[in-house]
Formats: sequence, C-alpha cells, structure tokens
Amino acid sequence: DIQMTQSPSSVSASVGDRVTITCRASQGISSWLAWYQQKPGKAPKLLIYAASSLQSGVPSRFSGSGSGTDFTLTISSLQPEDFATYYCQQANSFPPHFGPGTKVDIK
Amino acid sequence: QLQLQESGPGLVKPSETLSLTCTVSGGSISSSSYYWGWIRQPPGKGLEWIGSIYYSGSTYYNPSLKSRVTISVDTSKNQFSLKLSSVTAADTAVYYCARLVVVTAIRFDYWGQGTLVTVSS
Repeated sequence: DIQMTQSPSSVSASVGDRVTITCRASQGISSWLAWYQQKPGKAPKLLIYAASSLQSGVPSRFSGSGSGTDFTLTISSLQPEDFATYYCQQANSFPPHFGPGTKVDIK
Repeated sequence: QLQLQESGPGLVKPSETLSLTCTVSGGSISSSSYYWGWIRQPPGKGLEWIGSIYYSGSTYYNPSLKSRVTISVDTSKNQFSLKLSSVTAADTAVYYCARLVVVTAIRFDYWGQGTLVTVSS
C-alpha cells in the first residue's frame, strides 16, 4: 500500500494569509494526488485532482503542485470560509489512502 | 445533480454485522468510468477508505478490513451496500458513500452526507 503523510498537522493563520500544506507519499505516484476540504459535520469536498487540476466550482485561490512523492496545497489568500481540515489522497492505485489531515484554524 | 444518500441502523451491537445502503439519484450507478465507494471517519479522526465497487460487481477492499467487509451493488435500484461483520467499538464512525472517478486520476467527487453508526450494547 502507498501511505500518505501530511505536515503540519495543524496551522493557525489569519484571513488574508498564504497557507501551504505539504503531503508526502511513501512511494512515487507521479501526479496522481487529490486534495479535499472538510468542515465540521460535513462530508469532504474535492478541491484538486491530478495534483494541480482545480475541481469545477472551487475558487482559484486554491492551487496544488508537486509530483513523485512530494505535493503541496496552497491557499493564496485565506478566507473565513477556508477554516477547515484538509486531506490529501493518493490517486495512483487502489487502495486510495488518505493522509491524516491538516487543520487550518483561526490565529 | 448527482446525489448520494446513506441509510441504515444508527446503532449496532458488538459482534454483529453493520449494514448500510447508499442510494444514488440524479445519475446511473451503471455509468462507466466510475466506481462507488464507502469511506468512514471515527469521531475526531481522519478518513479511512473501506472499499469500492463497479456496477459489474468488481470490488476493491482496504486490506486492513478485507476479512470483514462485503460491498454489493443493485443496479435495478441504483444502490450499493456495505456489510461489515464482527463489529467492535472501534468501528464506531460516520460512514460516507461516494462516487469514485477512475479515469485520469482516482478521486471521490460526490459524497453522501454521512451517517453515524455507533457500536454499543
């Protein structure tokens, strides 16, 4: 199985800040990575797939990059509605494991 | 707009079998390019993929749960189901069903709202 790690586990930030979250795969997965946002009590929402492709309807302040084993999710200017937990998911093969999550909260 | 809705008991006794159904509306479960999956989230913890099924019945399971999991599909009802046997308190979680895109990159693009299943006597 390909295992996923994320860092940091949590980050405190202010509205307008640039936030970067890192995800690492235990082996190379090319560009096959997805990112999700989850708010309390809600289902996860797909933000980015294939490492850098923005899902329809997702604001352009979200961007993804990386390939191989190292990936990043960047929020260019944090908005109040962006305070949530973010998960990466390896999209290369079954099983499609998720990372442990990164919580973005208010500073 | 595609919608998924989980249904099933919210309380299951230890050692018994957890059974959930996901009903898909606004689209056909028999569409190519998609699998259908179950993901769970214990209270306060992260997401765990349980398994996925194609409309033909082809399945993939999480190796850590494989011995206890069965996922099935009923195309006539546009539904797929999860059975998890021999449950313990560790199986208490919110269970989500989701559509899994398997072209270009594997990703879950539509999710149900989730249903909390508590394992307790």
